[in-house]
Amino acid sequence: SQQGEEDPQALSIQEGENATMNCSYKTSINNLQWYRQNSGRGLVHLILIRSNEREKHSGRLRVTLDTSKKSSSLLITASRAADTASYFCATVKAAGNKLTFGGGTRVLVKP
Amino acid sequence: DVKVTQSSRYLVKRTGEKVFLECVQDMDHENMFWYRQDPGLGLRLIYFSYDVKMKEKGDIPEGYSVSREKKERFSLILESASTNQTSMYLCASNDGRGALNEQFFGPGTRLTVL
Repeated sequence: SQQGEEDPQALSIQEGENATMNCSYKTSINNLQWYRQNSGRGLVHLILIRSNEREKHSGRLRVTLDTSKKSSSLLITASRAADTASYFCATVKAAGNKLTFGGGTRVLVKP
Repeated sequence: DVKVTQSSRYLVKRTGEKVFLECVQDMDHENMFWYRQDPGLGLRLIYFSYDVKMKEKGDIPEGYSVSREKKERFSLILESASTNQTSMYLCASNDGRGALNEQFFGPGTRLTVL
């Protein structure tokens, strides 16, 4: 079974709105990473947050991590049409050496 | 800029054929990974390698093998392709300790097995 699972599976918003997606996982982690994938392309790394961190920012992206709830969220503020993509969370387990991906959230930003 | 390249964007093969997917990275990364991506399942790790001539099984290694003869090149081999191996294949690399750091992905190879 997948270590990380995203919610919602799909999201449709207007340009300028914020988009929030969540990721839940099952076991203790070393870190959690978010990636973006444009249609039919490879993945691009967005943010890595370690288990001892609670929040990280990168431009219009904000990631939070709640290890007590085993969950993370990715917020995209002031979305643009170019943000249309699938977003994946991925975790590295506390004693692990692999990155395990969730099923992704498809985000559509309408102009 | 890190660049990970894959030999083909699209590939069509017949059942039973031997298939080679090549991946090359230009950043002297120690670690390389092969994933397959299927709708609703996210990415699943097939094999990975932490050093030349070294390989470790991922979550779904059955039906696949790999080769890492040079640091920059990691090949995925389908010994006898089957229709259930139709998928998007993604190669990635990174440096440092295993999977802990961000991974850099290639553009993917969409393989269809008829």
